Parts: sequence; structure tokens; C-alpha cells
Amino acid sequence: GEDVEQSLFLSVREGDSSVINCTYTDSSSTYLYWYKQEPGAGLQLLTYIFSNMDMKQDQRLTVLLNKKDKHLSLRIADTQTGDSAIYFCAEDLTGGGNKLTFGTGTQLKVEL
Amino acid sequence: EAQVTQNPRYLITVTGKKLTVTCSQNMNHEYMSWYRQDPGLGLRQIYYSMNVEVTDKGDVPEGYKVSRKEKRNFPLILESPSPNQTSLYFCASSSAGTGSIFQQYFGPGTRLTVT
Repeated sequence: GEDVEQSLFLSVREGDSSVINCTYTDSSSTYLYWYKQEPGAGLQLLTYIFSNMDMKQDQRLTVLLNKKDKHLSLRIADTQTGDSAIYFCAEDLTGGGNKLTFGTGTQLKVEL
Repeated sequence: EAQVTQNPRYLITVTGKKLTVTCSQNMNHEYMSWYRQDPGLGLRQIYYSMNVEVTDKGDVPEGYKVSRKEKRNFPLILESPSPNQTSLYFCASSSAGTGSIFQQYFGPGTRLTVT
């Protein structure tokens, strides 16, 4: 199947690290993506990782990829209230850019 | 400003009354797509278009139609809406090609309620 799975909710305290996990199903995915959806808005690309990489760091964001287990994670360091949003992982199954399969989304709530 | 626009943003309608949700992008993107977002299900692709006059079904096309007569516009048509089409709809566009990062630009969403 093509299910991409995520836990639905995550709650953290401001200043802590957040880790959002994703399990995907197709090991041939070329790129894997993290999108962020703020309340009342569309999705925005947050970061991505190419399938031949294990890790990618971008300021407060760290993406880890375990191809053997088909596991993708997004770590947000020093989580802020502005990070409260829904986070979607997505895989590009075709490699041709015509189909992204999104996960169910993880709602991150940052508490003071 | 580069953007994807959708209209209307909110719509309440009755079963069986045909409606169209418009989508327009100003980035000269070849690729456009429609998704619906439902709680616990994430985003599911309805239809996509690789270019003008080229459209194809996504994962949940039943009950929807699309057309791509111009590059910038990709309207979503519900000929006979039903309550199970109550959802949040997103249009997206991209210029990605084979082997490239696939960055989709999303519209702000259209919340549709069918009673």
C-alpha cells in the first residue's frame, strides 16, 4: 500500500525539542518532504531530504532518514509557540514530480 | 507576489447543486493538483494536471471533474455535490520535473459544506 503514517498529536513545552515521526511505505521514493500547515492556511514546504542522505540539518530543524526501517523524523530544537501547526510528511512515489503521497499529519501544540 | 489563489474560501451548499471552485496560479507552473483534507486522513489527491489539456485522476476522483484550458487555471467542478464531499480543499502548483525536488505551492484552502 501507499500509506504514510504519523501520530496525530504531539504536545511539548516551549523551549523543549519536538520530534515528529513518519513511517512511509515505498523505499524507492526519491525525495521525502516535510510540510507545515499553520491554522487557516495552506501547506508550505518546510524542508526535504534526498533518499541517499541520512540526515539534514537546517537551523533549528533536523531531518533523520532511516531507509532500512522506512522511518523519517523531524526534530525541531528550542520549540516556540510559532511552531504550533500541523506537520505533514510526504513521499514522491514516482520521482517524476506528478504525485506526492501525504501522511495523516501531526498536530504540534506548544505550551508555555 | 507569487501565489495560488482559490475562490471561494468558504461555501455552504445543498446536495445536488452544481458548484465550481476556482484555482489560479501566477508562477507559470506546468503542474497543478487538487487535494481534499479530512481529519485523520491527511491530504488525498483528487486530480492533477501535468500541463494544459492534460489531466489525470488522483486517489479520490469520484464525484469530481477538472479542466485545464489555460496554464494558470485549474477549476474543480462538483456536478452533484453530496454531504460526503464536505471537506477542506486545496489547490497546489509546481514547476518540478523528473529528478527535481517537488515543491508544491498551496492555495489558502476552500472549506466546503454540503447539506
